[in-house]
Amino acid sequence: DGGITQSPKYLFRKEGQNVTLSCEQNLNHDAMYWYRQDPGQGLRLIYYSQIVNDFQKGDIAEGYSVSREKKESFPLTVTSAQKNPTAFYLCASRRTGALKGGNTIYFGEGSWLTVV
Amino acid sequence: EDKVVQSPLSLVVHEGDTVTLNCSYEVTNFRSLLWYKQEKKAPTFLFMLTSSGIEKKSGRLSSILDKKELSSILNITATQTGDSAIYLCAVSGEFNQGGKLIFGQGTELSVKP
Repeated sequence: DGGITQSPKYLFRKEGQNVTLSCEQNLNHDAMYWYRQDPGQGLRLIYYSQIVNDFQKGDIAEGYSVSREKKESFPLTVTSAQKNPTAFYLCASRRTGALKGGNTIYFGEGSWLTVV
Repeated sequence: EDKVVQSPLSLVVHEGDTVTLNCSYEVTNFRSLLWYKQEKKAPTFLFMLTSSGIEKKSGRLSSILDKKELSSILNITATQTGDSAIYLCAVSGEFNQGGKLIFGQGTELSVKP
C-alpha cells in the first residue's frame, strides 16, 4: 500500500547532538513537507520541497536542515543549534495540481523527539 | 507574510452542543482551504474547499468558505465526546505560491459528557 513512513517514532537527543528524522513516501508525490507541533498547538512549517534537489525554508527553519536527493525521501536533521527541539514532528507529502475536492495531502505517523 | 489564524484556540462544550470553529487567512495566491481533525498522531482529512459559498457536509460536520471575507467556518452539531480533538485549518497555494501549505494554530475542542 502507498503511504508515508516516518522513523523513528520516538527519539531521545542529548544536548549538543544532531539527530535525523527519516521520511519516505512511495506515492510518487513531488512536494514534501516537515512540520513541528508543540503540545496543544497547530503545525508550524519547518521546510518544504517541491522537487528533487530543491527545498525552501518555512517559518521556523532555524536549527534544522533537510535534503532532497531522491523524490521518495526528505530527511530532517535537528541540529544542536535548535535550542528547544522537544516536539512532535510530522512529515507530509502532497499530490499537486488536483483541486477537485478530496484529500491531496498525506501525513506520516509522526516522530516524537525529546531532549534529555 | 502568509498566515492562517484560527479561533477560538480552545473550546469546552457539553455533549449535544453545536460549535462553530473559525479560520481566517492571508495568502497571496489562494487555491484551497483544508480542515483536519487531529486526535493523537497524524491529522485526518475532513474537507477541502475551493469555491466560495458551497457548503460541504459529512454527517454532523459541515464547512463553508467565504473568499470575500478570506475565511471559513467548521460547524459540528450535536457534539459527542468523540469529537474532542484539535481541529486544524490549512491553506494551500499553487504555482506562484510555490506549493506552500500553511496551517493555523488549531482549535482544541473538548466535549464533556
